[in-house]
Amino acid sequence: GEDVEQSLFLSVREGDSSVINCTYTDSSSTYLYWYKQEPGAGLQLLTYIFSNMDMKQDQRLTVLLNKKDKHLSLRIADTQTGDSAIYFCAESIRGGATNKLIFGTGTLLAVQP
Amino acid sequence: EPEVTQTPSHQVTQMGQEVILRCVPISNHLYFYWYRQILGQKVEFLVSFYNNEISEKSEIFDDQFSVERPDGSNFTLKIRSTKLEDSAMYFCASSSTSVEQFFGPGTRLTVL
Repeated sequence: GEDVEQSLFLSVREGDSSVINCTYTDSSSTYLYWYKQEPGAGLQLLTYIFSNMDMKQDQRLTVLLNKKDKHLSLRIADTQTGDSAIYFCAESIRGGATNKLIFGTGTLLAVQP
Repeated sequence: EPEVTQTPSHQVTQMGQEVILRCVPISNHLYFYWYRQILGQKVEFLVSFYNNEISEKSEIFDDQFSVERPDGSNFTLKIRSTKLEDSAMYFCASSSTSVEQFFGPGTRLTVL
C-alpha cells in the first residue's frame, strides 16, 4: 500500500545545515514534495521534484531523491530560527484526472539559537 | 500573492448535526481537493474534484460526505451527520495543473 515515513524530530543549531529524511513505498509516484507547517498555519509548499530527477536546488533548499531506495531528503543550508516548523514529505499518486498526495507523519525541526 | 482561503477557522458542532466547510480556491485553478488531519495523525486525502465532478475519493469519504462547487469561486465540503471521529483539521487545496497543490489555512472542526 501507499505509505510515507519520516523521523519525528530534528534539533539543530542556528547556522548549521538540517537534513530531513523520508521514505516512501509507491514506485509509481510522479512527484515528491516538501511542505512546511508553522504553528496555527496551513501547509506551505516548499519545493517538489519530478521522479526522474535525482536532485533539485532552490536557494537554501536542496532535495535529493534516490528512486532505487525510495528515499527523499530535504537539506536546509544555514538554518535559521524562522525555519522551526513541521516539515512534511508527500508523494503524489495519480487517480483519474488528479493527483492525490500521501503525506508522511511530519518532522518537527527545532532550531536552537 | 493569491492564496486559498477557508471559513470558518473553527467550527464547533453537536454530534449528528450537518456542517458545511467553505473554501475559496485560487482564481483560475481547475483542480480542487479536501484533506483532513486528525490530531496527532497524518494528513489524509479525502477527495479530489475536477471539471465539476469528483475525480477520486478515499475510503473515508463515505455517503456522509459531499462536495460541491456551487458557483465560480466556492468549493464546499458537507458532512451530513457529524460523528465524534470527524473532529479534525480540514484543509482545502487547489491546483492549476494538478502538480502543485496550494493549501488553505484549514478549518478546525470539533464535534461534541
